Amino acid sequence: DAGVIQSPRHEVTEMGQEVTLRCKPISGHDYLFWYRQTMMRGLELLIYFNNNVPIDDSGMPEDRFSAKMPNASFSTLKIQPSEPRDSAVYFCASSWRLVTDTQYFGPGTRLTVL
Amino acid sequence: KQEVTQIPAALSVPEGENLVLNCSFTDSAIYNLQWFRQDPGKGLTSLLLIQSSQREQTSGRLNASLDKSSGRSTLYIAASQPGDSATYLCAVRGTGANNLFFGTGTRLTVIP
Repeated sequence: DAGVIQSPRHEVTEMGQEVTLRCKPISGHDYLFWYRQTMMRGLELLIYFNNNVPIDDSGMPEDRFSAKMPNASFSTLKIQPSEPRDSAVYFCASSWRLVTDTQYFGPGTRLTVL
Repeated sequence: KQEVTQIPAALSVPEGENLVLNCSFTDSAIYNLQWFRQDPGKGLTSLLLIQSSQREQTSGRLNASLDKSSGRSTLYIAASQPGDSATYLCAVRGTGANNLFFGTGTRLTVIP
């Protein structure tokens, strides 16, 4: 398996624009997670899915953020409208089980909002 | 809320030295603890996962220990190599939470 795949790897956009980040989890994994990493706050869980269903979105900062998982092999994280404070590295991770298994992380998308 | 602290924030050692990275957490009611490695511009790679019933885990030159009662874990790296240079993060999973709580990491530099 190629591991967790994320695209794009880098995104530079202007304030107010819509941004869509994409993730393909490892085949067979039932759980998918979206994280955000910043210098100030470290790694934070935004939302996670189980079998394509959102289970916990309490980490999503604002209504400007939304995430979908239309099928087992694809998820998106959308920010609309984007703001400079959204600049961060966004990671997608997947795992087979929630608690006992490790999570496998993608390479991340570095988002810069000007 | 669980708080995870890693000290020091950065560490430089000469090649060949043995070293210890520290992780402490505030709530001892955990399910497991993981150590990850993060290389610049890349995602996290899991190194070791210790279940709450375990005291330690070993993989090659790495050994992670867990002391739940004192809220501490250590990652021991033997005979360090320049390729070990990276940021090391520990993450704690609580028993009642669907979340991993991450520390802010220790940036390790191994000098050739």
